[in-house]
Amino acid sequence: DIQMTQSPSSLSAFVGDRVTITCRASQGISNSLAWYQQEPGKAPKFLLYAASRLESGVPPRFSGSGSGTHYTLTISRLQPEDFATYYCQQYYSTPLTFGGGTKVEIK
Amino acid sequence: QVQLVESGGGVVQPGRSLRLSCAASGFTFSSYGMHWVRQAPGKGLEWVALMSYDETNKYYGDSVKGRFTISRDNSKNTLYLQMDSLRAADTAVYYCVKAPDYDPYLFEYWGQGTLVTVSS
Repeated sequence: DIQMTQSPSSLSAFVGDRVTITCRASQGISNSLAWYQQEPGKAPKFLLYAASRLESGVPPRFSGSGSGTHYTLTISRLQPEDFATYYCQQYYSTPLTFGGGTKVEIK
Repeated sequence: QVQLVESGGGVVQPGRSLRLSCAASGFTFSSYGMHWVRQAPGKGLEWVALMSYDETNKYYGDSVKGRFTISRDNSKNTLYLQMDSLRAADTAVYYCVKAPDYDPYLFEYWGQGTLVTVSS
C-alpha cells in the first residue's frame, strides 16, 4: 500500500498569507495526486487532480505542483473561507489512500 | 445538480450487520464509478470501496476486505454498502461519493454522510 504523509498537521495564518502544504508518497505516484478541502461539519470538496489541474469552479488562488513522491498545495492569498482541513490522496494504485490532513487555522 | 443522499446508519452491536444506501440524482448514475469513503470521529478520511459504472469491477480497502460488499442498482440509481462482522473500529461517518467521468479513482461529489456507530 502507498502511504501518504502530509505536513504540517496544522498551521496558523493570517488572511492574505501565502500557505503551502506538503504531501509525500511512500513511492512514486506519477502525478496521480488529488487535493480535497473539508470545512468543519461538512463533506470534503474536490479541489485539484493530476497534481496541478484545478477542478472546475475552484478559485485560481489554489495551485498544486510536484512530481515523483513530493507534492505541494499552495493557497496564494488566504481567504476567510479557506480555513479548513486539507487532504491529499493518491490514485496511482488501490487501495486509494489519503494523507492525514492539514488543518489551516486563523492566526 | 448532483445529489447523493445516504441512509441506513445507526447504532449496531459488534459482530452484527448493517446495510447503507445512497440515492443518487442529477446525473446519469449508470455512467459513473461510485465510492464509499468513511471518516471516524475526529479523524481523517479512509477509502472503503469502489464499484465501476457497469458493476464489473469492485475494489476494497484493506480494513474492510472480506467483511463489506459494495453493490449498485442502476435501475434504481442507488449504491449500497453491506457491512458484516462490524467492529468498533468501523464507527464513522460513511460518505457516498461520485467519481468524475475522466477518472474513476477520484472523488468528485460527496453526499452529506450517514453515521454508523458500532457499540455494545
